Amino acid sequence: TQLLEQSPQFLSIQEGENLTVYCNSSSVFSSLQWYRQEPGEGPVLLVTVVTGGEVKKLKRLTFQFGDARKDSSLHITAAQPGDTGLYLCAGGGTQGGSEKLVFGKGTKLTVNP
Amino acid sequence: NAGVTQTPKFQVLKTGQSMTLQCAQDMNHEYMSWYRQDPGMGLRLIHYSVGAGITDQGEVPNGYNVSRSTTEDFPLRLLSAAPSQTSVYFCASRQHLRINYGYTFGSGTRLTVV
Repeated sequence: TQLLEQSPQFLSIQEGENLTVYCNSSSVFSSLQWYRQEPGEGPVLLVTVVTGGEVKKLKRLTFQFGDARKDSSLHITAAQPGDTGLYLCAGGGTQGGSEKLVFGKGTKLTVNP
Repeated sequence: NAGVTQTPKFQVLKTGQSMTLQCAQDMNHEYMSWYRQDPGMGLRLIHYSVGAGITDQGEVPNGYNVSRSTTEDFPLRLLSAAPSQTSVYFCASRQHLRINYGYTFGSGTRLTVV
């Protein structure tokens, strides 16, 4: 069974600070997705990375897929209160002959004004 | 607006009752799925479908049934509700069968079984 471990589980920071969220596994994934979920809503896709070592930027958010495709990180520069939410990583792989998406348990980020 | 629509938003059931959670998407997505989200457990796959008439079990299928008679609709049925099924349920779809294409999630159904 493929598992994804996210760290930290909770993160509370002040506006303007930088932060990094990690997503790690012992398994190799064909792709890695990051979602943000706000209270009372469903997750919203931020980015998909598919190539080992790939780096994607979305405004102040930088996503990286590890060279071995077993881990990923999300870095936020100069965090703002609007970045508050639950950040989920999800890894794509093949299990039992079919493609499955495995979710991490999430990192709950609070950015205080 | 195009997307995934889930109804109801909230539901309280008594133990043993049955109900259907509705999910509809208007994006002509082939793949649809149901997840439950519990504190400390993350999102867990219940059932999924790769097209009309085709369904399969996910990680936690017991106590739930699904059907896919049309591309647009993918209802989730609770046969006999149990307190362990108290959770937030999300329907998600994606355009292609390949998982590299991200999901579009509905806004969820918060279910409480008493």
